Amino acid sequence: EAGVAQSPRYKIIEKRQSVAFWCNPISGHATLYWYQQILGQGPKLLIQFQNNGVVDDSQLPKDRFSAERLKGVDSTLKIQPAKLEDSAVYLCASSLAGDLNEQFFGPGTRLTVL
Amino acid sequence: GQSLEQPSEVTAVEGAIVQINCTYQTSGFYGLSWYQQHDGGAPTFLSYNALDGLEETGRFSSFLSRSDSYGYLLLQELQMKDSASYFCAVRDQGSARQLTFGSGTQLTVLP
Repeated sequence: EAGVAQSPRYKIIEKRQSVAFWCNPISGHATLYWYQQILGQGPKLLIQFQNNGVVDDSQLPKDRFSAERLKGVDSTLKIQPAKLEDSAVYLCASSLAGDLNEQFFGPGTRLTVL
Repeated sequence: GQSLEQPSEVTAVEGAIVQINCTYQTSGFYGLSWYQQHDGGAPTFLSYNALDGLEETGRFSSFLSRSDSYGYLLLQELQMKDSASYFCAVRDQGSARQLTFGSGTQLTVLP
């Protein structure tokens, strides 16, 4: 079974630029999550999708971050404009609908904002 | 909201047993999970406790006491490959059942 795919793996941008990350979850997983992990901290949930609907985006900085999952499969997370404090690893995870236990994480995208 | 506390670092030698504690405060508790993350890698699921007691999976065990808002991860017969960060995470009772992660415990296994 293929795992969660993410791209790019690394991205370096200047502050105030825009950036987008892509995630392809495990086939059949209805729930998709985007996390932000700052160095030395645990992952922080940004947004959670169930199929193509948003379940929770309470911690998403909506003035600069946006995410979509139009067809209920792939998802993109965008930052516009980026700030220095957005430097982090952005992790995508997926789980089976109704599975409250295990989330499967992708390798992440390491973003550096200069 | 939720808050979790776990030690920032733990060091042990190969073959030893180590316990990583996690205390939590939450407005609505559903369960406690543990994840392992190697440097530069993705978090991987280790265990989940919704009820009080001990869950055992090979060399790893996880314990939960809901009345004490406390849990721990027990790693036995430590191996060098167990050097990693270990995160506890609480799942809340909201409709989203979202996970809130602790800051992680960096485990170093020495030869």
